[in-house]
Amino acid sequence: KQEVTQIPAALSVPEGENLVLNCSFTDSAIYNLQWFRQDPGKGLTSLLLIQSSQREQTSGRLNASLDKSSGRSTLYIAASQPGDSATYLCAVRGNDYKLSFGAGTTVTVRA
Amino acid sequence: GAGVSQSPSNKVTEKGKDVELRCDPISGHTALYWYRQSLGQGLEFLIYFQGNSAPDKSGLPSDRFSAERTGGSVSTLTIQRTQQEDSAVYLCASSLGGPVTHYGYTFGSGTRLTVV
Repeated sequence: KQEVTQIPAALSVPEGENLVLNCSFTDSAIYNLQWFRQDPGKGLTSLLLIQSSQREQTSGRLNASLDKSSGRSTLYIAASQPGDSATYLCAVRGNDYKLSFGAGTTVTVRA
Repeated sequence: GAGVSQSPSNKVTEKGKDVELRCDPISGHTALYWYRQSLGQGLEFLIYFQGNSAPDKSGLPSDRFSAERTGGSVSTLTIQRTQQEDSAVYLCASSLGGPVTHYGYTFGSGTRLTVV
C-alpha cells in the first residue's frame, strides 16, 4: 500500500522567504504526482502535475521536483506572500488509478 | 461546465436520516471519483467511476454508502441512516482518460456534511 508523508506538518515564515515543502512516498511505481492547495473550508486546487518521466515542473513562483527512484518530491515557493497561506497536499497516482494523499503541510506566511 | 460542481455546499442532517450529495463533473471527463476528508484526517478514497465500466466501490466504508453515475455524467453519493462519524467534507473529482492515465484530477469545492 502506498504511504505518502509530508514534512513539516506546519510551517510559519515571514513574508518574502522561500518555502520548501517535502513529500515522500514508499512505492516508486507511480504514474504522476500532483501538488494541491487547500484553503480552509474549501476544495482542492491543483498547482502542479509532474509525470513519472519528468524531473520538475514550474508555474510562476512555484517549482516542483520529482525523484521517483528515491520516492521524493519537493515543492518550492519563491518569495512567499500572505496569500500563499494554505494547506499544501501532495498526492501520487499509482497504477490502480487512485490518488494517495499525504496529510498536508499547513503554511502561514506572516506579513 | 468549467469546473467540477458539487451540491449542496453544506448539509446539516439529523442522525438516522438519509442524505444525497451531487457531483457534476467537467464535461468530457470520463473518470469520476469520490473522496472523504474527515476533520484532521487525510483524504480517503471512496469510489471510482470510469465510463460504462463497473465502479470500484472498494473504499466505501459501509453498506450505508452507495453511489451512482447516470449517463456517464452526474454522480450522486447517498448515505443512508447517517451517523455522527459520517460528518466530513465529501469531495468529488473528475479526470480525462481511462483507468491508467497521465492526466491529473480536478476537484470540486466539496460538500461539508454535519450529522447532529
